[in-house]
Amino acid sequence: AAGVIQSPRHLIKEKRETATLKCYPIPRHDTVYWYQQGPGQDPQFLISFYEKMQSDKGSIPDRFSAQQFSDYHSELNMSSLELGDSALYFCASSSIVGFSTEAFFGQGTRLTVV
Amino acid sequence: GQQLNQSPQSMFIQEGEDVSMNCTSSSIFNTWLWYKQDPGEGPVLLIALYKAGELTSNGRLTAQFGITRKDSFLNISASIPSDVGIYFCAGLLYSGNTPLVFGKGTRLSVIA
Repeated sequence: AAGVIQSPRHLIKEKRETATLKCYPIPRHDTVYWYQQGPGQDPQFLISFYEKMQSDKGSIPDRFSAQQFSDYHSELNMSSLELGDSALYFCASSSIVGFSTEAFFGQGTRLTVV
Repeated sequence: GQQLNQSPQSMFIQEGEDVSMNCTSSSIFNTWLWYKQDPGEGPVLLIALYKAGELTSNGRLTAQFGITRKDSFLNISASIPSDVGIYFCAGLLYSGNTPLVFGKGTRLSVIA
């Protein structure tokens, strides 16, 4: 079965550079979530999209922005990178079936800022 | 905001032992999800619970959605070395597109 695809898997950037992370949700899933996970931490919600519209916003810095495109893939754009942005970034997708929702995660992108 | 209290934070058990972990919240949820995460990998969905009182099994895993809708537990029976990892509970207040709220995780170590 198709899963959530994230690219790249690993990314190394220098401080003040920009980075773009991509997420391809499971086909026919209408919701995409972005999470940031620091070492030894639980995933922290950044932002979500439902049917290509931003639906909720969490602890996403102003330096970050995201969007969902017509083909439902989503991109997280990160500018003026800081050392503290080094983390695993996960994308998850879900859809509602009746009153049931299951969210599936991608493999993540490990961002290292040096 | 909504918070989930997950316990224990970590467990060291012998292979073959049973494991139990739980999550509680001050808020009600419509859905409880349990995930397992291996180092450097994305969380993998283990069990999804949708109704208060629901008890669901997936192989050696059993999870229950608390009657009050504010708690859930996950049991693993007859643990094996590959059960090692971090287990997260996540709650969802159904509104179609609200984010999952995660617990802090339970780090499980299995001693062969």
